[in-house]
Amino acid sequence: DIQMTQSPSSLSASVGDRVTITCRASQTIGRYLNWYQQRPGTSPNLLIYSASSLQSGVPSRFSASGSGTEFTLTINSLQPEDFATYYCQQSNTYPYTFGPGTKVEIK
Amino acid sequence: QVQLVQSGAEVKRPGTSEKLSCKASGYIFSGYYMHWLRQAPGQGLEWIGSVNPNTGDTSISHHFHDRVTLTWDTPIRTAYMELERLTSDDSAIYYCARGYFRWFDFWGPGTLVTVSS
Repeated sequence: DIQMTQSPSSLSASVGDRVTITCRASQTIGRYLNWYQQRPGTSPNLLIYSASSLQSGVPSRFSASGSGTEFTLTINSLQPEDFATYYCQQSNTYPYTFGPGTKVEIK
Repeated sequence: QVQLVQSGAEVKRPGTSEKLSCKASGYIFSGYYMHWLRQAPGQGLEWIGSVNPNTGDTSISHHFHDRVTLTWDTPIRTAYMELERLTSDDSAIYYCARGYFRWFDFWGPGTLVTVSS
């Protein structure tokens, strides 16, 4: 299985801050990397697909980049509704696998 | 609008089976993969498997391959996941999610399954 790691595992930030989360794959996955946001008690929500494409309806303050084994998700000007856990997911190879998540908390 | 409605919470005894359902609406059911995933309490996300209702192709994670059966009923736009030989490690929220190309664009609300004696 392809192992996905994320850093940091959690972070504290303030409204208006810029936040960057890193995701790494144990082997190259091209651009088959997706990002999801999960607020407590809710289902995950797709933010980014194919490494850098913004899902319809997702605010433009979310952006992402990367290819191969290293990827980043950036949130510009953090908003109150952005405090959540973020997961990366590889879709290069079955079984699809997720990173352990990055929890973004209010400072 | 796309909606996935999942069956209600269950409490199961160890060693038994569960069969969960996911009813889709708002799109052509046979045109998209349906994936199943789970999330143990306070934990991350785990992919279980997927089904293509159009071709009948199924893919199941080797972590579950001998315990999971994925089925579907196209006329009623419903997908099913059966998990056998339950243990306490199977206690989790189980999600169905629509597959669009290689990502999950719509998720169901989840079904909480608790395995306890």
